[in-house]
Amino acid sequence: DAGITQSPRHKVTETGTPVTLRCHQTENHRYMYWYRQDPGHGLRLIHYSYGVKDTDKGEVSDGYSVSRSKTEDFLLTLESATSSQTSVYFCAISDTSNTGELFFGEGSRLTVL
Amino acid sequence: QKEVEQNSGPLSVPEGAIASLNCTYSDRGSQSFFWYRQYSGKSPELIMSIYSNGDKEDGRFTAQLNKASQYVSLLIRDSQPSDSATYLCAVNSYSGGGADGLTFGKGTHLIIQP
Repeated sequence: DAGITQSPRHKVTETGTPVTLRCHQTENHRYMYWYRQDPGHGLRLIHYSYGVKDTDKGEVSDGYSVSRSKTEDFLLTLESATSSQTSVYFCAISDTSNTGELFFGEGSRLTVL
Repeated sequence: QKEVEQNSGPLSVPEGAIASLNCTYSDRGSQSFFWYRQYSGKSPELIMSIYSNGDKEDGRFTAQLNKASQYVSLLIRDSQPSDSATYLCAVNSYSGGGADGLTFGKGTHLIIQP
């Protein structure tokens, strides 16, 4: 379980403030993903990365940006948080041979007031 | 819009019985299929993957895939209270590479009654 960690685990912030969530992995996996999970919607992909400086948008990318400057770190940034971004955010990783076999971090619960 | 449908439950099953969880998907071209278990307040955990028609068994778990009917199921034999969780079905429309083509269902809440 220590192969992937997220920080912070809990955060409360105000509308309009920037927020950065960090995902750190020690597995040297190529693929990293950010999901959000909301009641009634299930898990939805925000952004993903296939390698250093190689990122792309997922299903619900509006209002989010990502960066991956090192293999082990994948950052998710909310430039100006809104109440609709209150959610639980999960980071996930997979190696090059997987097509959906993901290993998830513990999650980060974000509340935007 | 690719869809993955699951009955939200709760599905209540007596301890020791077989729990049957079902999932249907809309994209006929889907290539790979997964079941994740998520305990309340925790992250999803992969428990089964299946890539071809038929059954795949792993311990007390059996995944069943029928691509013609666009149907995936998960059977849990000898259900235990520790199996009480939400089970997420996930379907990947891509034939290779990463999981950006993965679509998750909303999950079925399973309760095993002692």
